[in-house]
Parts: sequence; structure tokens; C-alpha cells
Amino acid sequence: EPEVTQTPSHQVTQMGQEVILRCVPISNHLYFYWYRQILGQKVEFLVSFYNNEISEKSEIFDDQFSVERPDGSNFTLKIRSTKLEDSAMYFCASLRQAKNSPLHFGNGTRLTVT
Amino acid sequence: AQKVTQAQTEISVVEKEDVTLDCVYETRDTTYYLFWYKQPPSGELVFLIRRNSFDEQNEISGRYSWNFQKSTSSFNFTITASQVVDSAVYFCALTSGGYQKVTFGIGTKLQVIP
Repeated sequence: EPEVTQTPSHQVTQMGQEVILRCVPISNHLYFYWYRQILGQKVEFLVSFYNNEISEKSEIFDDQFSVERPDGSNFTLKIRSTKLEDSAMYFCASLRQAKNSPLHFGNGTRLTVT
Repeated sequence: AQKVTQAQTEISVVEKEDVTLDCVYETRDTTYYLFWYKQPPSGELVFLIRRNSFDEQNEISGRYSWNFQKSTSSFNFTITASQVVDSAVYFCALTSGGYQKVTFGIGTKLQVIP
């Protein structure tokens, strides 16, 4: 069964550095998402992306964050200047169509900001 | 606004016991989808079930069963004859609207003791 793949599985970065988290959604999917889970807490919506633009974003998704689908296969989340509180598990997800299907999540990237 | 409440933050059961994980949701939409996801210690999110708001039939899949009751806005999950491998955090989630922004509950950590 096709999967959403995320790389790397674990990334350590220093505070203030830029980081790019990468995702390869399932190939015929049209809707793409990033979610975040701070350790021990619930999974929170960050942003949804459709038709090469952001369709919705949460209050967490401030100017430090950006998303891109540079080449038709990858879907990236960039954090411009990481803060300690950005340490979390970041999940990418994709959907073929908006309704009648569950989100397919990747295995997540654990980001540790030191 | 959408909200998912999982009142049980942690549950411990002895292997082979049955356990029910509670989920109560709030939404103003008449069309919505409910989900359960499992997060094992390895961290990935594993889709278990999706139920739409028009289908109140209970569902059984092996040792798993789900009880959806619109009248009480609940979507409870029962594991029969629990096993150690069932130990995980279980998230109830809700989505409505066009872009499938998912609202997660805080999760219930289930520990099955051998």
C-alpha cells in the first residue's frame, strides 16, 4: 500500500537555525497537511495545502513557518529560525480528495531544538 | 468550533481484560467524520477507523469495536481481550468542512499489563 514518507526521522538543530522537513505524499493525492505534536501532548493542525497554495493555517503557523511543493512530489515545511518550543514531532499527511477518506500520515520527523 | 474530549488520560488494564476508551465531540456541522488513531511507542500515527455522521452503525473489526451515538455525541472504542501490543496512545479525532482539518483529542494512554 502506498505510504507517505518523511525524512529525516529525527533532526537535531540549534536554536536560530533554519530547518526543512521533507515529505513525499502519496502520488495521486491532492491535499497536503502538516501537523505537530509536542511531546506528550495532542496532535495539532498546522497547515493545509491544495492547488499549490495554503488553504488553511492555524495560529501556530506564524511567519516563521512556510510550506512548499517545489517539484510535484515533495512537500516541505520550513522553519526559518527555530526556537526551543519548536521541538516536537511533525507529521505530514495527504489526501486524495477532501471528503470520504481518512488522512494518511507519515511516520513523523522528530525535531529537537537545542 | 470543533472539540474532541477524551476524559481518560491514562488507563491500565491486565491482559485479556476488555477496555473502553471514551470520546465525546462537539461540532456545529451536520456532516462530519470521526476517527480513531493509534500511536504506538514508536511514534507513528496508525489509522484505525473512520465513521461519517450519517452512519450510526456500530462496527466491529476483530477485537476492536466502535460505538457511535449521535444523541450523546460520543464515539467510544472498545478493545476486547486486550493484549500487550495494544499498549499505545489512542487519539479520537474529528473533521468537517472541505479541507479535512482534523481536530484531535488529547489522547488516552493505554497500558496493558501482562
